[in-house]
Amino acid sequence: DAGVIQSPRHEVTEMGQEVTLRCKPISGHNSLFWYRQTMMRGLELLIYFNNNVPIDDSGMPEDRFSAKMPNASFSTLKIQPSEPRDSAVYFCASRDEQGHSNQPQHFGDGTRLSIL
Amino acid sequence: RKEVEQDPGPFNVPEGATVAFNCTYSNSASQSFFWYRQDCRKEPKLLMSVYSSGNEDGRFTAQLNRASQYISLLIRDSKLSDSATYLCAATPPGGYQKVTFGTGTKLQVIP
Repeated sequence: DAGVIQSPRHEVTEMGQEVTLRCKPISGHNSLFWYRQTMMRGLELLIYFNNNVPIDDSGMPEDRFSAKMPNASFSTLKIQPSEPRDSAVYFCASRDEQGHSNQPQHFGDGTRLSIL
Repeated sequence: RKEVEQDPGPFNVPEGATVAFNCTYSNSASQSFFWYRQDCRKEPKLLMSVYSSGNEDGRFTAQLNRASQYISLLIRDSKLSDSATYLCAATPPGGYQKVTFGTGTKLQVIP
């Protein structure tokens, strides 16, 4: 089975540019999560979707961040305009929440983002 | 208080030693618990779920103490390959289950 697929693996761009991160969840999983990980703050939940609907976006840092899930097999996280403090590893994870209370999340390989 | 807290370590232990990590959670109604392992520059990977009665997988034992609101991970006969960061995670009750992660405990197994 294919796992969670993220792209790109690495992104280096100048501040002020728009950055789009992409995620394909595991087929059949109905919840999708975007995380940001830094040394200082650890793994932070940015937003999560259930059945393509955003359920909790309280972790989204500010209006520069937006996320969409147009269908069950694709999600994007966009940063516009990007700033150096956005540099981090961004993980996407998916989970099967269809009646199974003890199912874990499965993570993609992450996107390592550097904003110069 | 953070929802899920861990000692960041590092825990430096010799090969063959037994090491244990604890993780406390603040929401007494938390329902599901997990241990993840994260290698340097890699994604977190599920190590094991934590069941109410405790569970074992080879050299790894996970336990849940609801009264004191903590979960633990015990690693016996540590191997060099066990060196990693171990993240605990808790899920609250309810229809939409947002998983909260601790910041991780770093383990270094020394030859």
